Amino acid sequence: QLQLQESGPGLVKPSETLSLTCTVSGGSISGSTYYWAWIRQPPGKGLEWIGSIYYSGSTHYNPSLKSRVTISVDTSKNHFSLQLTSVTAADTAVYYCARRSPQFNCFDPWGHGTLVTVSS
Amino acid sequence: IVLTQSPGTLSLSPGERATLSCRASQTIRSSYLAWYQQKPGQAPRLLIYGASSRATGIPDRFSGSGSGTDFTLTISRLEPEDFAMYYCQQYAASLLCSFGQGTKLEI
Repeated sequence: QLQLQESGPGLVKPSETLSLTCTVSGGSISGSTYYWAWIRQPPGKGLEWIGSIYYSGSTHYNPSLKSRVTISVDTSKNHFSLQLTSVTAADTAVYYCARRSPQFNCFDPWGHGTLVTVSS
Repeated sequence: IVLTQSPGTLSLSPGERATLSCRASQTIRSSYLAWYQQKPGQAPRLLIYGASSRATGIPDRFSGSGSGTDFTLTISRLEPEDFAMYYCQQYAASLLCSFGQGTKLEI
C-alpha cells in the first residue's frame, strides 16, 4: 500500500526558506507514470495546489507561487521535496504531499500533512 | 479556472439527501473533475474522480454527476460520518490545478 510522509521543520522565520520532504513507501517514484504534488491549507481555510513533479524532473507550478517555489525529486531516495523562499506569515499552513493520477489528474493518496508556522 | 462551490454550509440530518454544487468559470473536461472529503485534523480523501467514478472503498451512497461547467456531488442517505468538508478540484489542459473553496456539511 502506497504511503506518503511529509517531514521538515515546523517553524520557519519570516524571509527564510521553507523546506519539506515527502518520502514515498510501498512503491517507487520512478516506477510509474504518476506525478507527485504539494498542496497546502492555511489554518481554517481551503486547499491550495502548490505544484507537481514527474520523476524525470518535469514540473508545473501554481502561477501565484511560481517565483518562490522549487519542487525537486530524488529517485534514489524515493522522495520529492519542496522549497518555498522568502516566506511570510501568509505561508503558515498544513503542507500535504500527494500522488497525482495522470489519467484523471486527481490526488490519491495523501500524506497526513505537516504544519509549518512562519514566525520570528 | 475558478471553482465556486455552493452552498458554503449545508445543514441536514442523518438519513437525508445532500446535494453539493461545483461550478467552473470555464468548461472543463469531466475526466479532470474530482471531489474530496476532509474531516477535522485529517488529510482530504478522494471520493469521486472523472466527475462520476467512485474511488476505491467509497460507499455507493456517494455519487457524482455533471459536465461542462456544472458538477454535483450527491450523498443519497447521510450517515453520521458523512458530516465533513467537501472540496471539488479540477485540472486544466494547461496542467494547472485549482480547488473550490469547500462546502461544510453539518448536522
